[in-house]
Amino acid sequence: QVQLQQSGPGLVKPSQTLSLTCAISGDSVSSDNAAWNWIRQSPSRGLEWLGRTYYRSKWGNDYAPSVKSRITIKPDTSKNQFSLQLNSVTPEDTAVYYCARYCSGGRCGMDVWGQGITVTVSS
Amino acid sequence: DIVMTQSPDSLAVSLGERATVNCKSSQSVLNNSNNKNYLAWYQQKPGQPPKLLVYWASTRESGVPDRFSGSGSGTDFILTISSLQAEDVAVYYCQQHYDIPYTFGQGTKLEIK
Repeated sequence: QVQLQQSGPGLVKPSQTLSLTCAISGDSVSSDNAAWNWIRQSPSRGLEWLGRTYYRSKWGNDYAPSVKSRITIKPDTSKNQFSLQLNSVTPEDTAVYYCARYCSGGRCGMDVWGQGITVTVSS
Repeated sequence: DIVMTQSPDSLAVSLGERATVNCKSSQSVLNNSNNKNYLAWYQQKPGQPPKLLVYWASTRESGVPDRFSGSGSGTDFILTISSLQAEDVAVYYCQQHYDIPYTFGQGTKLEIK
């Protein structure tokens, strides 16, 4: 049974960096038939896909244009996890942040989700 | 970006009756090379992450009750619950994964009448 366990601070000051981690059990971040995603949800923006990392002979990333200049998603193979860094945050980045697995074994949707972390951007 | 528009925004249906949620994409999400629609449906209950119900527009995820079904192709899709149960009260979302950035519909809130 695949599980994703999220960790990170729930409060970040404006202009600082939001950092979250998603630990994977039951699968591998280096899997060549899955991608590992970050998604956020807020009342104002709904569900918003932020980006993904994946391994297909080499590592690749895709990011949403809305955050592309501020976001980094990185795998950590030694700990079987992946991380989200979002720089220069503003109150508009306040949301519930989820990690999720996409497209494992040909079943293409976000089939496994982390528990979600509420991140508030406030001084 | 591909815009996903769901209708209605909210829906009240009697127990045992059929519920239908519509989803329209601003451009086709059908990949002609493999004849697959890159469209998924999710159910979200309060305080929980979304749960995958249907992928490839019409393939039910393992463990999802067969009263849930997805249909449609190209730009127009439907999620149908054939006989509403109390535990189906939730918000339902469609999502396209045809193009980056992946995008979600605004959600349809389903309640019991």
